Formats: sequence, structure tokens, C-alpha cells
Amino acid sequence: DQQVKQNSPSLSVQEGRISILNCDYTNSMFDYFLWYKKYPAEGPTFLISISSIKDKNEDGRFTVFLNKSAKHLSLHIVPSQPGDSAVYFCAVYNQAGTALIFGKGTTLSVSS
Amino acid sequence: DVKVTQSSRYLVKRTGEKVFLECVQDMDHENMFWYRQDPGLGLRLIYFSYDVKMKEKGDIPEGYSVSREKKERFSLILESASTNQTSMYLCASSSPGTGGAGAFFGQGTRLTVV
Repeated sequence: DQQVKQNSPSLSVQEGRISILNCDYTNSMFDYFLWYKKYPAEGPTFLISISSIKDKNEDGRFTVFLNKSAKHLSLHIVPSQPGDSAVYFCAVYNQAGTALIFGKGTTLSVSS
Repeated sequence: DVKVTQSSRYLVKRTGEKVFLECVQDMDHENMFWYRQDPGLGLRLIYFSYDVKMKEKGDIPEGYSVSREKKERFSLILESASTNQTSMYLCASSSPGTGGAGAFFGQGTRLTVV
């Protein structure tokens, strides 16, 4: 049973526009929600996170929004750049807090 | 900067071989992890370790074992490689209690079993 779901396998956006990546989760007890970015043939890199006690966290062009009542989080990238083209994973820690659980990922393509 | 280093970027092994994937981290992290990434399946946890000589099964441990004899090193062992173990393998490390900072990943090992 998937605890973290990314229902859109892919997203295409034009350069300069907003990219919105979505993630749904099942367990309201998760403390932190994280986003990772992965280029082909490289390991994932941490992008941004949000605590369950907040509803928004911003870092430059990247903003994560958390809607606890809907058990939904989203990553906004504004403005999108071609270098943002990558696979984006949302992740949470398991209930023991010992290991990250990842969604299946969304492939973002930003065209110039 | 945290550095997680995997011993090989690319490996080609034969079916039935015993395969060792090595991972070293230099930040004195207690936790270390092995994931595999497959198209459409995301990152799936194979095993993790929260201390030397300690290990826990993840979601897909079958066909794998691990070893952690030193804090900085975590090895993944494919006891008898099979073609369905062809995948990208990713090692990661983290410190407990740093939930918002996540885990740091190595560059990955692309394993092909023929």
C-alpha cells in the first residue's frame, strides 16, 4: 500500500512558467515532507522540505505547500528553467522515523 | 559537504554471480540505506542500518543482504545475481533526528545482470 503517491508520471512546462508537482500521502502522523530532484545517472539531491506544523516553505524559486486536511503537498517552481528538467520525488519518513519512503516520481520537462 | 561515495558507477555481472556494492560516507552518520530505482516504481528501500552491525529489512529485501562492519561503510550483497536485479542502486546516509534535512545520496551504481 503506497504511503506516498505521485499520480502524475510526467509534466511538461514552458520556460518561465510555473511548474506544479503534486503528492498525496496517507498517514497524518508524518512529521516532515521532503522533495528530491534526480537527474539521469546521478543520485537524488535534497531540494526542500516542510514540517507538518507549517503550511508553506519557500527557498528561492521553490515553494512547497502543505494541505494537511487534504493530505496533499505540492512543489511550485517559479519561474521554471530548462535546468529544472529532472525527476522529482516526494518523500516522508516511515513511522519509526528511520527511513525515507518515496513516491514514484514525476518527470518534469521544461522546454525553452 | 556530506559525501556519499559508491564504489562503481557501472557494473555488468553474470547471472548467478555474487555481487558486492560498496558505499562509504564521510559525515559520521548513524543511518545508512540502500535503495533501488526502476522506471515507474520510484525509489524502493532494500535495507537500512541505524548502527554498526545493525540492519533492518526494507520493502524489497529478497535476494539481497547487507553488511555494516564500520560506521562509515555499508555494503549491499546480491547473493546470486539475477536479471531482475538489473537496476540503479542508490546508497544514502543520514543522522537521526534531522528529519527536515533528509538523507544524502551517492551517485548511484547502474548494475546490469546478463
